[in-house]
Amino acid sequence: GAVVSQHPSWVICKSGTSVKIECRSLDFQATTMFWYRQFPKQSLMLMATSNEGSKATYEQGVEKDKFLINHASLTLSTLTVTSAHPEDSSFYICSARGLAGATDTQYFGPGTRLTVL
Amino acid sequence: DQQVKQNSPSLSVQEGRISILNCDYTNSMFDYFLWYKKYPAEGPTFLISISSIKDKNEDGRFTVFLNKSAKHLSLHIVPSQPGDSAVYFCAASEIGDKLIFGTGTRLQVFP
Repeated sequence: GAVVSQHPSWVICKSGTSVKIECRSLDFQATTMFWYRQFPKQSLMLMATSNEGSKATYEQGVEKDKFLINHASLTLSTLTVTSAHPEDSSFYICSARGLAGATDTQYFGPGTRLTVL
Repeated sequence: DQQVKQNSPSLSVQEGRISILNCDYTNSMFDYFLWYKKYPAEGPTFLISISSIKDKNEDGRFTVFLNKSAKHLSLHIVPSQPGDSAVYFCAASEIGDKLIFGTGTRLQVFP
């Protein structure tokens, strides 16, 4: 149980285009989903927290207009990187927290590698 | 301000021996702690957790110890196996709040 999927697993796009990443909790309802990014050899950096049906809460320094988060249902959250630039290239990981197992355990997706040319 | 610290960036252990990964935190309000294992280009995998009301939690080869007075937790893996080679992150939170991750420790288990 407690499986979280992400799609796509990798994406290459041109500078200026927008990219949407999906995060799904497959076998549990995720009351809260989180989006992280990870630069090489660095820790996970929390970008935003989203609760189903409400606006996401962004961490300091994260541009909400650039990283659009939608948590439309208890099993799906999307992150859209708008007008992507090479500096947005990173590994994006979502996690979900819900009713599976311990209530405060986050289960992570496999990540999405974004490369912006 | 790094609230969760893993001071050892890497650790090398022989197969069959014990691996001990350490983590320190500064926020006394943290009351839930977790360990995750991560392979390159994959998302973290949950290993084990402990709440502040306990000082030890065991699951198979993995045991987490919590010393609240020292604000220190550790993960023990015994016996270590080559498949345990990965980056291990500790994380902490106040219940219901976001996780704060450490910077990770790369564990290498050699034959």
